[in-house]
Amino acid sequence: SQTIHQWPATLVQPVGSPLSLECTVEGTSNPNLYWYRQAAGRGLQLLFYSVGIGQISSEVPQNLSASRPQDRQFILSSKKLLLSDSGFYLCAWTLEEGVAYEQYFGPGTRLTVT
Amino acid sequence: AQKITQTQPGMFVQEKEAVTLDCTYDTSDQSYGLFWYKQPSSGEMIFLIYQGSYDEQNATEGRYSLNFQKARKSANLVISASQLGDSAMYFCAMREGTGGFKTIFGAGTRLFVKA
Repeated sequence: SQTIHQWPATLVQPVGSPLSLECTVEGTSNPNLYWYRQAAGRGLQLLFYSVGIGQISSEVPQNLSASRPQDRQFILSSKKLLLSDSGFYLCAWTLEEGVAYEQYFGPGTRLTVT
Repeated sequence: AQKITQTQPGMFVQEKEAVTLDCTYDTSDQSYGLFWYKQPSSGEMIFLIYQGSYDEQNATEGRYSLNFQKARKSANLVISASQLGDSAMYFCAMREGTGGFKTIFGAGTRLFVKA
């Protein structure tokens, strides 16, 4: 069965510090991968998605970036965090690109920028 | 323009009663998928139910059913026989056939089940 991992689970970082969040998927090959951010009490904002190694599409221009160095690994990064980067970050995957495929989500990383 | 609208920020329901969570959507695609997800306080998003734009029957999954009215572009979630464990945030989402098959989420509805 497929499993998605995210770490760390929680993170407190000062403004201006770098960020690296990691997401890995087990039990499947060539998944479509997504990074979402959720502000407190709000819906999910799509940040990045990837259909293959090295292929990244950005949805929101900001100080975040994403990379996919391996088939089942998706990394969210920032060189300098802003206060507005605080939130709950969720990684998700789907196996196919069709409309009928639900997303499976990781446990999330709660980021607080101080 | 907002593509997924959930107009109920919060809903209360008595245990064992049914509740309907509203969702309207906007798309010009003929092929699309509609989803509902549950987010308990732990934060993890849990897939509940799916409805395809070409499906003629309303989707059902256990106590969950999706009231799909294509002409009105609505995809309401019905939870029957509510349980205390149903208290959570519920998100409606849509996946279009164009634009890279991205999934767009609504703002969510927080459901409170009262004992």
